Amino acid sequence: GESVGLHLPTLSVQEGDNSIINCAYSNSASDYFIWYKQESGKGPQFIIDIRSNMDKRQGQRVTVLLNKTVKHLSLQIAATQPGDSAVYFCAPGPGGYNKLIFGAGTRLAVHP
Amino acid sequence: NAGVTQTPKFQVLKTGQSMTLQCAQDMNHEYMSWYRQDPGMGLRLIHYSVGAGITDQGEVPNGYNVSRSTTEDFPLRLLSAAPSQTSVYFCASSLDRGAQETQYFGPGTRLLVL
Repeated sequence: GESVGLHLPTLSVQEGDNSIINCAYSNSASDYFIWYKQESGKGPQFIIDIRSNMDKRQGQRVTVLLNKTVKHLSLQIAATQPGDSAVYFCAPGPGGYNKLIFGAGTRLAVHP
Repeated sequence: NAGVTQTPKFQVLKTGQSMTLQCAQDMNHEYMSWYRQDPGMGLRLIHYSVGAGITDQGEVPNGYNVSRSTTEDFPLRLLSAAPSQTSVYFCASSLDRGAQETQYFGPGTRLLVL
């Protein structure tokens, strides 16, 4: 069945460093991927998405890389700030957002 | 715009009690959904709706009912609460059903069933 896994359940970084959060997926048919950020006590918030016909997409301080060969994507956060501390979810979808499968999440802890 | 709002923020129920979790959005979004989030697990889809009058089951629908009489509101009903339904519940909406549409999540309702 579909599964989404995260390599590191908790990631601790120093403020100012770059962060890389990884995500593996199992469904080769996944054609759309979303990263969400969830701060403590709040609902998930959309960060960035990428379609399967792309291998890289950049946003403000964030970059998502997609490697369809090994079914892996990563979220890179440049110059990590304390406000980046949150749980980050990847969600691959084989079409239609009711088919999105959310991973358990990776907690990013930013230390001063 | 208030976005997606949920009430209550926190609720304690006894086993067998019923309640309704409220969700409303003021963005005129067609697509709304309910998720539950349990410790160490990702969001799991309970029910969703592609528009007023249309609902469908998600991954974990058992024990929950929904209705969509208006575009704005999408209540989630627990008919007979069970301890296994202790969770945090999130409502989300998006402009339409496509996966490419950004979902906007509410702040969540924390439910404890004793």
